[in-house]
Amino acid sequence: EPEVTQTPSHQVTQMGQEVILRCVPISNHLYFYWYRQILGQKVEFLVSFYNNEISEKSEIFDDQFSVERPDGSNFTLKIRSTKLEDSAMYFCASRYFEGAGGEQYFGPGTRLTVT
Amino acid sequence: DAKTTQPNSMESNEEEPVHLPCNHSTISGTDYIHWYRQLPSQGPEYVIHGLTSNVNNRMASLAIAEDRKSSTLILHRATLRDAAVYYCIRNSGNTPLVFGKGTRLSVIA
Repeated sequence: EPEVTQTPSHQVTQMGQEVILRCVPISNHLYFYWYRQILGQKVEFLVSFYNNEISEKSEIFDDQFSVERPDGSNFTLKIRSTKLEDSAMYFCASRYFEGAGGEQYFGPGTRLTVT
Repeated sequence: DAKTTQPNSMESNEEEPVHLPCNHSTISGTDYIHWYRQLPSQGPEYVIHGLTSNVNNRMASLAIAEDRKSSTLILHRATLRDAAVYYCIRNSGNTPLVFGKGTRLSVIA
């Protein structure tokens, strides 16, 4: 069964450093998402991406964040200058269905620890 | 704002059915009802979704009230592997999922 994969599974970085989190969505999916979950809190939406551009973003997704689909298979989330509060699990998700009602498939997540 | 209401936690015995309720009294006509679950230390996992009619799949059944203001996720025989946080989410079109706190289901052997 096709699945969303994410690398690395765990990333430790120092405050102020740049990190890139990588995702390989399911191959025929059209919509791509990043969510995050701070330990013990809700899963929060960051950004959605369709047709090579951001379709929606949350207040969390400020200028420090960017997304890219560089080669038609990978989908990346970059944080330019990490802060302590960026420590969280980051989940990538993808979706095929273009209309209402389609399900999203999530990856296993990348645990980002900022020290 | 998740716009759905679920109990914080529920408990079930292994091998017995579980009915997880969800209230969504302000649901709009275009909103689907989605259920996802999150096992410990994993990403959310799609369970089932529906619009008006009851739905069944290999994982669960979804019973939707006639007025669509509430729904129930039914796990027919709970196993230890079903212990997770279950999220009931209203979603329409290509909008992102809005997760609430969900219901933490414990399964007792």
